[in-house]
Amino acid sequence: NAGVTQTPKFRILKIGQSMTLQCTQDMNHNYMYWYRQDPGMGLKLIYYSVGAGITDKGEVPNGYNVSRSTTEDFPLRLELAAPSQTSVYFCASTDRAYEQYFGPGTRLTVT
Amino acid sequence: AQKVTQAQTEISVVEKEDVTLDCVYETRDTTYYLFWYKQPPSGELVFLIRRNSFDEQNEISGRYSWNFQKSTSSFNFTITASQVVDSAVYFCALMIWSGGGADGLTFGKGTHLIIQP
Repeated sequence: NAGVTQTPKFRILKIGQSMTLQCTQDMNHNYMYWYRQDPGMGLKLIYYSVGAGITDKGEVPNGYNVSRSTTEDFPLRLELAAPSQTSVYFCASTDRAYEQYFGPGTRLTVT
Repeated sequence: AQKVTQAQTEISVVEKEDVTLDCVYETRDTTYYLFWYKQPPSGELVFLIRRNSFDEQNEISGRYSWNFQKSTSSFNFTITASQVVDSAVYFCALMIWSGGGADGLTFGKGTHLIIQP
């Protein structure tokens, strides 16, 4: 049981480039989430999904897109990367209102 | 909208002292969950506790204890006989369980706890 896995661990992007952050969970959880953590701050919700084919915006969705074609995968797409998107990105999943299982995070720098 | 306030940005204590981390939350919902997470210097998020809004019992787990008071909308976390390994950033978080599903966690800004040897 790997839990929640994220790739890549680190990435440096140039302004205007695009990339996809991958997130996979093997716990058969319906609920999945993407958060970002800026330095010295708590996490903020970007997007979430309550099941395959269903996604919804969180607090800070601008500049991101998501899809959920399977229960296991919940990729986060950055289009036209901007320096303001420099952050640590965490993916999480849960099966109800229990513990949210977090991935190890992806540290992204946009220069 | 929900809000979580951790007023203490940084706390520094000497090892073996007791320390309390404060958390105040705001929500109009009656069904919600409160969480504490630890983020050590390595960066991962470690789950510590979950509490639902209908359970005001305090909880103790080893050197950790939590005090949930709905009357003051607070969910404070105490570490007894602190150790250097407790040094980390601690986050309090709130989740509303609406009828359609979970909308994710609302986090406080975190308290950086430094335990000096």
